[in-house]
Amino acid sequence: QSVLTQPPSASGTPGQRVTISCSGSSSNIGSNTVNWYQQLPGTAPKLLIYRNNQRPSGVPDRFSGSKSGTSASLAISGLQSEDEADYYCAAWDDRLNGWVFGGGTKLTVL
Amino acid sequence: HVQLVQSGAEVKKPGASVKVSCKASGYTFTDFYMHWVRQAPGQGLEWMGWINPYSGVTLYSQRFQGRVAMTRDTSISTVYMELTRLRSDDTAVYYCARGGSGTYDWFDPWGQGTLVTVSS
Repeated sequence: QSVLTQPPSASGTPGQRVTISCSGSSSNIGSNTVNWYQQLPGTAPKLLIYRNNQRPSGVPDRFSGSKSGTSASLAISGLQSEDEADYYCAAWDDRLNGWVFGGGTKLTVL
Repeated sequence: HVQLVQSGAEVKKPGASVKVSCKASGYTFTDFYMHWVRQAPGQGLEWMGWINPYSGVTLYSQRFQGRVAMTRDTSISTVYMELTRLRSDDTAVYYCARGGSGTYDWFDPWGQGTLVTVSS
């Protein structure tokens, strides 16, 4: 059971916009920033979004992040086949004094 | 460019220990925290702890307290993660990931991962 809650799966067709939610509590998302990671099949995770809505250089602007209260969201617009991957949210948890992850969302491009 | 290269796959028996290394290059080793994250087969990511390569200070997840030790060798820009009293459910890919200059920063980049298999 992960501390942050994500839907296990999401899907969309090429060109569509999909969103992935990440729900937490006052001790994690409610008081700290959220980062998102993309894990392509068989590879190590890669930073996708940091500090709620910042994109590292090289990440397409099709990817965007937002946070409100104790929840965060990752949006992917103009969906492409290469976006098929697992997506994880993460935040520092003040009560646990450690980093916590969501369970991951498997995105399928139909 | 920044790169983290981890040691190779390991097979261990229950009760044994494993030590995984992570060699950093392309940046000043002592300027950034290093984290360890593991992923059991078909499962999600689990944070294990961090080490400050400058001071050697560590912070471990409560889940691994007493079983994990993170160390570093600044002369070769390498951090180590040792996990003791291995159980079958410790079978996982173990990743090192560079943090920021503070403890609350993101993880970027990640090492390629080291598969540790615990089996009798």
